[in-house]
Amino acid sequence: NAGVMQNPRHLVRRRGQEARLRCSPMKGHSHVYWYRQLPEEGLKFMVYLQKENIIDESGMPKERFSAEFPKEGPSILRIQQVVRGDSAAYFCASSPTPNTEAFFGQGTRLTVV
Amino acid sequence: LAKTTQPISMDSYEGQEVNITCSHNNIATNDYITWYQQFPSQGPRFIIQGYKTKVTNEVASLFIPADRKSSTLSLPRVSLSDTAVYYCLVGDNTDKLIFGTGTRLQVFP
Repeated sequence: NAGVMQNPRHLVRRRGQEARLRCSPMKGHSHVYWYRQLPEEGLKFMVYLQKENIIDESGMPKERFSAEFPKEGPSILRIQQVVRGDSAAYFCASSPTPNTEAFFGQGTRLTVV
Repeated sequence: LAKTTQPISMDSYEGQEVNITCSHNNIATNDYITWYQQFPSQGPRFIIQGYKTKVTNEVASLFIPADRKSSTLSLPRVSLSDTAVYYCLVGDNTDKLIFGTGTRLQVFP
């Protein structure tokens, strides 16, 4: 059973471009969480999804950011018209049920130039 | 969601026992206490979860007093590889995971 897979590991985008971050949860896990982490800071919750549904997006900026977790395929975090402040590590986690042991991916490091 | 308070940093030496305490004064009846470990440039990793009294696994022990307003993660005989950030989380089984600022543990030779 492979762990949580995130790709790409590193992503460089110019200001104004779109960034698409992918997360494949562990097999059998239907709950996915996305977090953002700046250097030397803690993880900031962004969005919590359960297959085809957004459960909680209270941590996600209202503009330019969106997330989905389709019935088939990975969860996608999409950032439109990226700005330098979007540069961060984005982590995805999955769990079989809420607030049980969550497994994290290796993260995607987004750099906006 | 109960708010948690942890020391920002701790130092230790190899072979010592390290105890990291987390305060969660407004913990709710249905809340569990969970600890994660994060190494630089990696995602957090689950360490241990408990509800009350004491929980032990192959990595750590978790001590929770009767009032559950705090908890202590105990790492026996730390090594250099235990240098990491340790996060305490509190929530019930309907909650998303909310991370605080964590405790940065530095282990010295």
